Amino acid sequence: DTEVTQTPKHLVMGMTNKKSLKCEQHMGHRAMYWYKQKAKKPPELMFVYSYEKLSINESVPSRFSPECPNSSLLNLHLHALQPEDSALYLCASSQVFPSGRASGVDTQYFGPGTRLTVL
Amino acid sequence: AQKITQTQPGMFVQEKEAVTLDCTYDTSDQSYGLFWYKQPSSGEMIFLIYQGSYDEQNATEGRYSLNFQKARKSANLVISASQLGDSAMYFCAMREGLTGGGNKLTFGTGTQLKVEL
Repeated sequence: DTEVTQTPKHLVMGMTNKKSLKCEQHMGHRAMYWYKQKAKKPPELMFVYSYEKLSINESVPSRFSPECPNSSLLNLHLHALQPEDSALYLCASSQVFPSGRASGVDTQYFGPGTRLTVL
Repeated sequence: AQKITQTQPGMFVQEKEAVTLDCTYDTSDQSYGLFWYKQPSSGEMIFLIYQGSYDEQNATEGRYSLNFQKARKSANLVISASQLGDSAMYFCAMREGLTGGGNKLTFGTGTQLKVEL
C-alpha cells in the first residue's frame, strides 16, 4: 500500500476553470515531486521541492503553480489549462540524501496519480 | 548527461516462467543508482528494486532480481515465476542527485509486459 496519497483520482475541467491537485505523504520525507505522464510515455519531471522550498522547475508553463504548505503536503494549482495538458499527474516523495555517493536511501515513492482531462 | 535505453517495447511470458527485461544506461558519473518501477494500468508507479553502482552484489527483492553488469552498462530486471498480476509497464530509471536536495530520475521508454496463461 502506498503511503503517498493523491486527490482527486480523476478530474475533468474546462479551459477557464481553476482547480487544484493535492498530494500528501506520511513517510517523513523532505523532498516532494510533481510529474506529468502522457499515455505510453515515461513520466516527465515538473517540479522538485526540498525542505518545502522549490528547488527545480523544469520550464513548466505558469498555468501550473506548485505549492508546498508543509513537509507533508504538496499542491498543484491549475489555471487556464489547454487540452494538451490532459495527462496523468503523479506525485512522489523521497528522503533527502546529500549529493555524492549514490544510495537507495532517497528512493522516490509515488502516489496513485490524478487523471486530468481538459476539455 | 544520463541516458537509459529500454529496447523491448513489449514482452510476453507464460505464467510461472521467468522473464528478463533489458535496460542499458550511459553516464559519466562514478557513483550512480539504478531503479526499476512497475506501472499497472491503474497508473501508480510502484518501486521494485534498487542497485547502486558500488554495490558488490546484485540486488534481489522477492521474485525480482537485478542482473547488474557494470562493464556492459546494463541493469536487467529478472522476474521469476511470473504471475498474471505482473502484467504492467516496467520502467528502468537512473538517479541524479540535486544540489538543492532530492534527486532527479531519468526514465527509459518502458517495456510493456503481458503474462499469459
